[in-house]
Amino acid sequence: NAGVTQTPKFQVLKTGQSMTLQCAQDMNHNSMYWYRQDPGMGLRLIYYSASEGTTDKGEVPNGYNVSRLNKREFSLRLESAAPSQTSVYFCASSPRPGIVGNSPLHFGNGTRLTVT
Amino acid sequence: GENVEQHPSTLSVQEGDSAVIKCTYSDSASNYFPWYKQELGKRPQLIIDIRSNVGEKKDQRIAVTLNKTAKHFSLHITETQPEDSAVYFCAAPGGGADGLTFGKGTHLIIQP
Repeated sequence: NAGVTQTPKFQVLKTGQSMTLQCAQDMNHNSMYWYRQDPGMGLRLIYYSASEGTTDKGEVPNGYNVSRLNKREFSLRLESAAPSQTSVYFCASSPRPGIVGNSPLHFGNGTRLTVT
Repeated sequence: GENVEQHPSTLSVQEGDSAVIKCTYSDSASNYFPWYKQELGKRPQLIIDIRSNVGEKKDQRIAVTLNKTAKHFSLHITETQPEDSAVYFCAAPGGGADGLTFGKGTHLIIQP
């Protein structure tokens, strides 16, 4: 049981390049999330998916797109990377759909992205 | 949406002393308040959580208290040890579905 798995662990991009961050969970959770973490800013929600086939914007969605490929996988895409997207990205999943704010999030190990 | 404020941003205590981190939230309907610990270079991990039907919860050296009227909750760590050094985040419901809105974190430093 690996929990939440993210790839890659590290990535360096040039401005304007694109890439996809991958996330998969093996806990049969319905809800999945992408957060970014910047120094002094805490964790901010980019996008989330309450169930397979649905996605919604979070607090900071600009410059990103997501795909909920199936129940296990939730990917985050940067179409044209910018230096402001330099951050640590965390994927998370939640076990109890439909009960707002009543269940813990399980985080992956993160992807450290640098855009030059 | 929910707004979570966390204080202090940095807290330095002597080993063996107690540490207290405080958070306030804005949405009176919020009913779940977790605390996460993040060690350097690692992922955030849940250490304790509390639901709005109780005022306090303890787990060994850590405890969380909740004051719904004042809309604030606090993390208490007693008999601090070097391994308690980390960044701690409070959170409250927000961000859609079962998502959470996080405070900006407290860097806890345990001085030997």
